[in-house]
Amino acid sequence: DGGITQSPKYLFRKEGQNVTLSCEQNLNHDAMYWYRQDPGQGLRLIYYSQIVNDFQKGDIAEGYSVSREKKESFPLTVTSAQKNPTAFYLCASSIIPGQGAPQQYFGPGTRLTVL
Amino acid sequence: AQTVTQSQPEMSVQEAETVTLSCTYDTSESDYYLFWYKQPPSRQMILVIRQEAYKQQNATENRFSVNFQKAAKSFSLKISDSQLGDAAMYFCGAGGYQKVTFGTGTKLQVIP
Repeated sequence: DGGITQSPKYLFRKEGQNVTLSCEQNLNHDAMYWYRQDPGQGLRLIYYSQIVNDFQKGDIAEGYSVSREKKESFPLTVTSAQKNPTAFYLCASSIIPGQGAPQQYFGPGTRLTVL
Repeated sequence: AQTVTQSQPEMSVQEAETVTLSCTYDTSESDYYLFWYKQPPSRQMILVIRQEAYKQQNATENRFSVNFQKAAKSFSLKISDSQLGDAAMYFCGAGGYQKVTFGTGTKLQVIP
């Protein structure tokens, strides 16, 4: 079955530690995205990538970093510079918008709690 | 730049009745797409319906339909014959050629 996997489902880290969230897709999509979800704030875009080895900052990139070494993978690192990292993180993928409707397919999410 | 506004934080509907969720957007793109996603308590985002802005005809998917008013930049979702399984957060999204921007969501409660 094609889809997007995120691991782990729940993640606990101590304050000051960097942590990397995994996102893998086998949908052969070129574009991948990371969102942060907080209560009452909807989904806010952190980073996105439309091609391997290239990515752009979204609306709230400060304190986060990404890499896109493979088409299938788009890991997100939450660094110690992120002031309030506790949140629900969603990864998504889509075809390149110029190839059709950029409908996004979402993973199941990772709940990060910083203690 | 894109903005999406959902002005109804919460809505409720009686089972089997009809409810309409509101969404307004703003975009500088000439070609864009509009989406409604559902997020049940499992938190898995599920596409409900999508609309290509260049199409005048309103999209429908079974009990779900939209009222797309391009000039007013309005994209409301109508759910007919509401079912208990429709209870969820609903997010409106607007996307151009690079990214999709989402609203803050509407929590829909379905009353038996």
